[in-house]
Amino acid sequence: NAGVTQTPKFQVLKTGQSMTLQCAQDMNHNSMYWYRQDPGMGLRLIYYSASEGTTDKGEVPNGYNVSRLNKREFSLRLESAAPSQTSVYFCASRLSGGNTGELFFGEGSRLTVL
Amino acid sequence: GENVEQHPSTLSVQEGDSAVIKCTYSDSASNYFPWYKQELGKRPQLIIDIRSNVGEKKDQRIAVTLNKTAKHFSLHITETQPEDSAVYFCAAHRLHNTDKLIFGTGTRLQVFP
Repeated sequence: NAGVTQTPKFQVLKTGQSMTLQCAQDMNHNSMYWYRQDPGMGLRLIYYSASEGTTDKGEVPNGYNVSRLNKREFSLRLESAAPSQTSVYFCASRLSGGNTGELFFGEGSRLTVL
Repeated sequence: GENVEQHPSTLSVQEGDSAVIKCTYSDSASNYFPWYKQELGKRPQLIIDIRSNVGEKKDQRIAVTLNKTAKHFSLHITETQPEDSAVYFCAAHRLHNTDKLIFGTGTRLQVFP
């Protein structure tokens, strides 16, 4: 049982390059989330997916796109990276509708945009 | 949508002292209030949660209290230890809904030996 797995763990991009962060969970959770965490700051929601086939904007969606590929996988794409997107990105999942609302996080992906 | 405010942003205590972190929320329909701990370089992990049908919950040295009328809830850590040093986040949402899951801005707790 791996939980929530994110790849890559580290990435350096140049301004204007694109990349996709991958996330997969093996807990049969229906809801998945992408957060970013800037140094010394909190967790800000980028996008979330309540269930397979649906995605919604969070607090800071500009510059990002997401795809809920299937129930297990939720990817985050940066089409044209900017230095302001330098951050640590966390994917998370939970079982909505269950008796616990616990959010399970991946280990994080540290992205640097030069 | 829900808005969660968290105070203080930083908190320094001596080992053995108590620490209290407070959060307020805006959506009176929220019924689930979790607290997450994030150690340096690690992922956030749930340490305790409370539902709206109870006013207090304890787990060893940590406790959470909820005041639904005032729409605020607090994390209490007693007999603090250096390993309690971390960033703590609160959140508030409706347990059986699939809403945005918004966190408070976090509190960096430092426990000095």
